[in-house]
Amino acid sequence: QKEVEQNSGPLSVPEGAIASLNCTYSDRGSQSFFWYRQYSGKSPELIMFIYSNGDKEDGRFTAQLNKASQYVSLLIRDSQPSDSATYLCAVRNSGGSNYKLTFGKGTLLTVNP
Amino acid sequence: KAGVTQTPRYLIKTRGQQVTLSCSPISGHRSVSWYQQTPGQGLQFLFEYFSETQRNKGNFPGRFSGRQFSNSRSEMNVSTLELGDSALYLCASSLSASGSSYEQYFGPGTRLTVT
Repeated sequence: QKEVEQNSGPLSVPEGAIASLNCTYSDRGSQSFFWYRQYSGKSPELIMFIYSNGDKEDGRFTAQLNKASQYVSLLIRDSQPSDSATYLCAVRNSGGSNYKLTFGKGTLLTVNP
Repeated sequence: KAGVTQTPRYLIKTRGQQVTLSCSPISGHRSVSWYQQTPGQGLQFLFEYFSETQRNKGNFPGRFSGRQFSNSRSEMNVSTLELGDSALYLCASSLSASGSSYEQYFGPGTRLTVT
């Protein structure tokens, strides 16, 4: 069973702080990694993807990937109340089933004004 | 570009009935995946279609089926509905082209309630 685990949360940070969301995965051959944001009652929205080791920055968001440690994280700088949502980590596995994504259960982030 | 569209948005069915959900992907996207989302299990993969062929299937019973048409639109069907099938059903489209990262974009979902 190829699994994706996220820090259980909920995570609460003050406005303007850095929020750090973490994800580990079991399939060492995983190829692509995605972060989705899901507001309550809405569908997931893709915010970042990464497939090479290191950091990838997009505005206030930075995704970090360490394939040796099978670890991917999302940093949100200058957190805003509008960032309050559930963040889902998703992994594209290796092998024959490499067209599907496996999702973690999500981490609920609350940014307090 | 228009996003992924799903119809209907809400559905109430009775146990034992069947239901068909529809998904239209982003223009130019040929891959459509279906997921079930429940509070307890999170997002679970149902199946994925590309060029009218099912490439991958998740661990769901045979009551769950799908198909894709030549215009990439997809439908999923659930027969003999059970109370546990109540969930948000999400469709995601992907370009799924060689050299891409296979990122998927979700539609708004269909909220199915089985009574």
